[in-house]
Amino acid sequence: NAGVTQTPKFQVLKTGQSMTLQCAQDMNHNSMYWYRQDPGMGLRLIYYSASEGTTDKGEVPNGYNVSRLNKREFSLRLESAAPSQTSVYFCASSTGTGSYGYTFGSGTRLTVV
Amino acid sequence: GDSVTQMEGPVTLSEEAFLTINCTYTATGYPSLFWYVQYPGEGLQLLLKATKADDKGSNKGFEATYRKETTSFHLEKGSVQVSDSAVYFCAAKSSGDKLTFGTGTRLAVRP
Repeated sequence: NAGVTQTPKFQVLKTGQSMTLQCAQDMNHNSMYWYRQDPGMGLRLIYYSASEGTTDKGEVPNGYNVSRLNKREFSLRLESAAPSQTSVYFCASSTGTGSYGYTFGSGTRLTVV
Repeated sequence: GDSVTQMEGPVTLSEEAFLTINCTYTATGYPSLFWYVQYPGEGLQLLLKATKADDKGSNKGFEATYRKETTSFHLEKGSVQVSDSAVYFCAAKSSGDKLTFGTGTRLAVRP
């Protein structure tokens, strides 16, 4: 089925470890996004990529880096994980500007101990 | 930038009750407005949208009308089911491509 695929679905890290969350979409969308979801905070934008080769900071970029590897893939890296990064991470994609919404992946539940 | 405010949850209803979840927005110009639903353990799914004033979005028995005069986009359903239990997010998109989300409202429907 067409959509947004995120891996892994679950991950436990120790403080200071690094990891990369993977995201791929097969809808030929131009724009891709990374959000984190915390209880009572809704969704907060970490980074986004309006097109292949470009990335921009969102609301909460500190402690994260991203790579737009090609049009399909947009990865999120935690270089040195901290307990404050315990969250559920969602990747999303969209066609771009206009009245189109986003398509979301099913999320990665990350726990940093 | 845009901002979206939606009613605090949780909202607890009995099956077949009427549902309203309030949403208001602040934006420059006339944004497109969306409702997303998140079922337990899943990502967000687009439920409905409206792109201009007085438009009504509808899907799966849910409706919302774009009210420019009150800058609102309230979600309604005439008769909720247990399967509607989820978290509902209101969102707005004006210029550019970024959606601004509300904090979400959890709905619990009792049999």
